[in-house]
Amino acid sequence: TQLLEQSPQFLSIQEGENLTVYCNSSSVFSSLQWYRQEPGEGPVLLVTVVTGGEVKKLKRLTFQFGDARKDSSLHITAAQPGDTGLYLCAGFDNYGQNFVFGPGTRLSVLP
Amino acid sequence: GAGVSQSPRYKVTKRGQDVALRCDPISGHVSLYWYRQALGQGPEFLTYFNYEAQQDKSGLPNDRFSAERPEGSISTLTIQRTEQRDSAMYRCASSEQAGAYEQYFGPGTRLTVT
Repeated sequence: TQLLEQSPQFLSIQEGENLTVYCNSSSVFSSLQWYRQEPGEGPVLLVTVVTGGEVKKLKRLTFQFGDARKDSSLHITAAQPGDTGLYLCAGFDNYGQNFVFGPGTRLSVLP
Repeated sequence: GAGVSQSPRYKVTKRGQDVALRCDPISGHVSLYWYRQALGQGPEFLTYFNYEAQQDKSGLPNDRFSAERPEGSISTLTIQRTEQRDSAMYRCASSEQAGAYEQYFGPGTRLTVT
C-alpha cells in the first residue's frame, strides 16, 4: 500500500500569517487531491493536481505538485480564521487501484 | 437526491451482532467509496465500486467486513460479529466518474459497539 505522509500534523497560527503544509510519498501518484474537512462534516475537495510541476491557485491557496509526482504542498497566504480545519491530501496510486488519504494537517487560525 | 446520504446516522450495537450500513450516492455517480475515519484522522480507505463492480477491497480490515452494490447505485457495508474496535465513523463518498474525480462525502454513520 502506498502511503501519504503529511506535515506538520498540527499548526496553530495567527490571522494574517502565511503557512505551508506538505504531503509526501515514496511512491509516484498519478494525481493528488487536497480536501478540507471541518468538524462533524465530510471532506470537501479543494483541488486536483495532475501534472508534475503543476501549480494551481485558488484565491489565497496555492497548490503545487512535485516534478516527480511524489509530493505536493499547499500554501495559504494571509490565513483567516475561516481557514481552520483538517487539510487532507489523497490520491490514486500509479496503477489506479488504491485510493489513500494522508493523516491530515490540523490547522487552527487564531483571530 | 441532492447529495450522498447514509443511514443510519448513529448505530449502537452489542458486540457480536451484525450491522448493515447503507449509502445512497448522488444519482448517476459511477464510483462509490467506503471509508472509516477515527476522530482527528484522515479517512481510511476500505473499498470502492465502479458501477456494481467492486474494484478494490484490499482495505477491508478482515473477512468480517463486506460490501455490495448490486445495482450500481445504493451500497451496503456489512460488518459481521462486531467487535469494540469496529467503533468508528464510517463514511461513504461518490464521484461522477471513475478515477481522480471529486468525491462527495456523505454525513457518515457513527458506529458504537458496546
